[in-house]
Amino acid sequence: KAGVTQTPRYLIKTRGQQVTLSCSPISGHRSVSWYQQTPGQGLQFLFEYFSETQRNKGNFPGRFSGRQFSNSRSEMNVSTLELGDSALYLCASSLGRRTSGDTYEQYFGPGTRLTVT
Amino acid sequence: QQPVQSPQAVILREGEDAVINCSSSKALYSVHWYRQKHGEAPVFLMILLKGGEQKGHEKISASFNEKKQQSSLYLTASQLSYSGTYFCGTLPNTGNQFYFGTGTSLTVIP
Repeated sequence: KAGVTQTPRYLIKTRGQQVTLSCSPISGHRSVSWYQQTPGQGLQFLFEYFSETQRNKGNFPGRFSGRQFSNSRSEMNVSTLELGDSALYLCASSLGRRTSGDTYEQYFGPGTRLTVT
Repeated sequence: QQPVQSPQAVILREGEDAVINCSSSKALYSVHWYRQKHGEAPVFLMILLKGGEQKGHEKISASFNEKKQQSSLYLTASQLSYSGTYFCGTLPNTGNQFYFGTGTSLTVIP
C-alpha cells in the first residue's frame, strides 16, 4: 500500500507570495490533517478534513487555508507569505474517527520544507 | 492546550531505561504516542484510551492516568534505534482537536 505523498518536497518563496502544498493520503483514508513543524514551536495543528469538510482548525491566521477533494487528496494554501512561515509542513492521513469519537492513528507524509526569504 | 512533555531531552546508554511524561491541562479521552527520527516523518507507536490502560509494544510500553491527565512512555533496555524525538498526541474529552505535545529528544549512545 502506498504511503502518504506530499508535493513538492522543497519550496523556496519570497515574502508576500503565496504557496499551495499538496497531500495524497493512503488509499481508503478519508481524513487528512495538516501540521506545521518548527524547531521552536514543535508540531502545531493547522486543520483537519474529513470527507471534504473541515472538521477542525488550529490557531493560525486566515492566510492559512485548505481544502479536500472528493478523492480525499488535500491542498493547503498560504497567502502573503511571511518569514515566520518557514517550516516543515506535514500532512497526515487516517481512517478518521472511530464511532467512540477517538481518532485512528495517523500516518504522516515526508513533509514539504518551505523556506520564505 | 498543547500537552507538556518532560524531560525535554535525555541521553541514554544502550540498555538503560527511560520514562517520558506527557501532561495535559484538559481532561483527556485518549493519548497517542509517536516517534520521529531526524529528517523523517513521525511514526505511530500506540494509542491509549481513558480507563487507565497500559499498552506495550516490544520493549516500549505506556500508561494513561486519566485522573491526572497524564501519560507516560516507558522504554526499557534501550537500543540505538530508539533515538529520536517522541511526541504524545492528545484528544480532549470535549472538542475534537488533536494536540501534539512539546516533544522529548531521546538519544541512545553505545
